[in-house]
Amino acid sequence: EVQLVQSGAEVKKPGESLKISCRGSGYSFTTYWIGWVRQMPGKGLEWMGIIYPGDSDVRYSPSFQGQVTISVDNSISTTYLQWSSLKASDTAMYYCARSAVGRIGWLDSWGQGTMVTVSS
Amino acid sequence: DFVMTQSPDSLAVSLGERATINCKSSQSLLYSSNYKNYLAWYQQKPGQPPKLLIYWASTRESGVPDRFSGSGSGTDFTLTINSLQADDVAVYYCQQYYSSPPDFGPGTKVDIK
Repeated sequence: EVQLVQSGAEVKKPGESLKISCRGSGYSFTTYWIGWVRQMPGKGLEWMGIIYPGDSDVRYSPSFQGQVTISVDNSISTTYLQWSSLKASDTAMYYCARSAVGRIGWLDSWGQGTMVTVSS
Repeated sequence: DFVMTQSPDSLAVSLGERATINCKSSQSLLYSSNYKNYLAWYQQKPGQPPKLLIYWASTRESGVPDRFSGSGSGTDFTLTINSLQADDVAVYYCQQYYSSPPDFGPGTKVDIK
């Protein structure tokens, strides 16, 4: 069974850094792109970016380019989403999800989500 | 960029009745070389991550009940829920994957009347 398990909820202050994780299991981790999706409170889904664990190729949505960094550690089948300086507007639920076919595809398996709260 | 819109924003349907959700893309999602429409539908129940329902505009994901069906081509698509069940209360999103970034529609909330 394909599973994506994300790290737990975080509460941070503006200006702090943060790295959240998503561990994949039940499939060949290095052969599927893994994307990140933001959902601000009460709002819709926003595609942030995606990484291919096989060669660490990363693509970002223009809306998120320069705002976050996506990375991977294949030794533990884990992808990461990180911020160097959080803002209150980063408060949201963040999901990782596997792309079923290639870099631009439908997302067939989702993590449970990581809630990030940024508040002074 | 592809702009995705959905209508209505919300709807309330009686149990056992049909719910119809529309999704429109600003550009065609039909790829001429394979005649496939690059559109997916997701269901998100309160407090849960999204769940894939349909891809290629009309192909149901394994395990999805057959009361969910997708149709349409080009720029206009429809998700139909036949015989609505209480368990179908959720927000439904369409997503184009024809071009990057593969953006989502704004969502349609389905409730029981």
